[in-house]
Amino acid sequence: GAGVSQSPSNKVTEKGKDVELRCDPISGHTALYWYRQSLGQGLEFLIYFQGNSAPDKSGLPSDRFSAERTGGSVSTLTIQRTQQEDSAVYLCASSFGGARSYEQYFGPGTRLTVT
Amino acid sequence: SQQGEEDPQALSIQEGENATMNCSYKTSINNLQWYRQNSGRGLVHLILIRSNEREKHSGRLRVTLDTSKKSSSLLITASRAADTASYFCATAINAGNNRKLIWGLGTSLAVNP
Repeated sequence: GAGVSQSPSNKVTEKGKDVELRCDPISGHTALYWYRQSLGQGLEFLIYFQGNSAPDKSGLPSDRFSAERTGGSVSTLTIQRTQQEDSAVYLCASSFGGARSYEQYFGPGTRLTVT
Repeated sequence: SQQGEEDPQALSIQEGENATMNCSYKTSINNLQWYRQNSGRGLVHLILIRSNEREKHSGRLRVTLDTSKKSSSLLITASRAADTASYFCATAINAGNNRKLIWGLGTSLAVNP
């Protein structure tokens, strides 16, 4: 079946502009995660949605970052007034609920470059 | 903050040799997972070991978990050039329904033909 998809695959934006990154999780997955990965680094957790529960936003680095998940499916990560330090690959993952919910399936990522 | 710390940071071996990577963590966990990341296939889940398990196998992969030492190891036997990738450990803490994973910084493995 279809995996996690993300769009755009690449985004170049000027400092100060807003950007929106989209994630389409695997159908039936109730959990959705956003991560950020800088060059040569590990994954930095940003935000986690689980079903209808309030999202875990504890990883968002500033109030310029926000995310929403509409209808329990598609999610959009928005970065306002982008800064050069926001340049990174933004990865989305989804997983099942219940006992299998720990295994995460990743999308290909969006490479964001802020000039 | 990162919980898992992998070592070594980088590893270079010849095809056919075994590769061992280690991961240490700080808090109690529900399970520990290993993922592989390469440019061709992105981040892919390899294996999950639960806190009450000590060893798990999957094909050429063998994972051990020592909860007393808060450490895990990933062994890849008979390595192939296609195993060249970065390997990350990720821990799921005991936190009710929260399925958030905490990630290490990864080990970069190069398998030379």
